[in-house]
Amino acid sequence: DTAVSQTPKYLVTQMGNDKSIKCEQNLGHDTMYWYKQDSKKFLKIMFSYNNKELIINETVPNRFSPKSPDKAHLNLHINSLELGDSAVYFCASRHYSQGNSAGELFFGEGSRLTVL
Amino acid sequence: KQEVTQIPAALSVPEGENLVLNCSFTDSAIYNLQWFRQDPGKGLTSLLLIQSSQREQTSGRLNASLDKSSGRSTLYIAASQPGDSATYLCAVYDTGNQFYFGTGTSLTVIP
Repeated sequence: DTAVSQTPKYLVTQMGNDKSIKCEQNLGHDTMYWYKQDSKKFLKIMFSYNNKELIINETVPNRFSPKSPDKAHLNLHINSLELGDSAVYFCASRHYSQGNSAGELFFGEGSRLTVL
Repeated sequence: KQEVTQIPAALSVPEGENLVLNCSFTDSAIYNLQWFRQDPGKGLTSLLLIQSSQREQTSGRLNASLDKSSGRSTLYIAASQPGDSATYLCAVYDTGNQFYFGTGTSLTVIP
């Protein structure tokens, strides 16, 4: 059983199109994230949701819109795709807690987006 | 703002050698530090999680230490194997409830 699963794994599309990436976790976690990994392998946080509520929204273009229908799902919709959006997008989840019991972060396999 | 650095960026060792990967962070106000490995084209796999109150964690041939006051963590891999070849990343979770990732160390273990 895959703990954090993303679909699709690969996505090739033309500039200007709209696309979505889906993420589901079966770990019972209440916090989910979207990260972008660029060609230099640097991971940058995009969004974080806790119990379906947005808690982190880093400086990303408003063409990116996350949606969390329930605690187990966090989808990413991208409008008007640009060449610079090409990257690997990772979904992650954990049990939210502060202090010294802060939960372990688990990642999906990633979705490689190529914009032509 | 927290900055996480991993040195070296790349490391190549012969099979069987013991090795140490380094991770340093600029702000000691963290809740925990997590080590991951990433294989090419794959996601990040969690290796070890060290809470800020802990000094080290062990799993099999892996041992991670944390010195919060000096802003350092090390990942020790004993008796390295070709299957250990991957990129290793560390991430700190700070008291601002944010994760900060290093840029990784690419490890190659030569048979």
